[in-house]
Amino acid sequence: SQQGEEDPQALSIQEGENATMNCSYKTSINNLQWYRQNSGRGLVHLILIRSNEREKHSGRLRVTLDTSKKSSSLLITASRAADTASYFCATDDIQGAQKLVFGQGTRLTINP
Amino acid sequence: GAGVSQSPRYKVAKRGQDVALRCDPISGHVSLFWYQQALGQGPEFLTYFQNEAQLDKSGLPSDRFFAERPEGSVSTLKIQRTQQEDSAVYLCASSKDSLNEKLFFGSGTQLSVL
Repeated sequence: SQQGEEDPQALSIQEGENATMNCSYKTSINNLQWYRQNSGRGLVHLILIRSNEREKHSGRLRVTLDTSKKSSSLLITASRAADTASYFCATDDIQGAQKLVFGQGTRLTINP
Repeated sequence: GAGVSQSPRYKVAKRGQDVALRCDPISGHVSLFWYQQALGQGPEFLTYFQNEAQLDKSGLPSDRFFAERPEGSVSTLKIQRTQQEDSAVYLCASSKDSLNEKLFFGSGTQLSVL
């Protein structure tokens, strides 16, 4: 079963605009990770945010985490055509289960 | 190679046939995961190994699915008596330690059961 739910399911924007994707989850977590998947390929790790962090930056990526609302957002600034991909959040389980559970993903399309 | 390698890349099986999917993780990586991904969906957890120990197999959909990692490196996912609903992409991922804070994924095996 999926732990996370991404919103929106699909997003289409113009190159240069900012893209925001949201993720909600159900259980208490140690950390939350974001991954990118290009069509027909495996997932690539983008960024990890810990439960005691509220915001984290990496290049054009900005991630926020609100543990009280059990939600996270991924912002991609100044989008490029190469950012076209599906984006997934993944969470662990503070109870100790070591599996990572992924959401359904947001399909992002950047139009040139 | 430097990354996670999966073979075959594509597999077509007749219903009822047994299949074996191979994963070569990054050398020295402790953790290994198998996921199943249906078209347009997120990866669904199947099973998790820490070295040769299978610590979690709660995601395996039925007893037709079996995974092993006998020497703590290469892993095989076996599906017996395949059914059409087994058609999906099977992804393998590895992580350098048991914290699993960064997974490295292979490109997957796309299984089609006819």
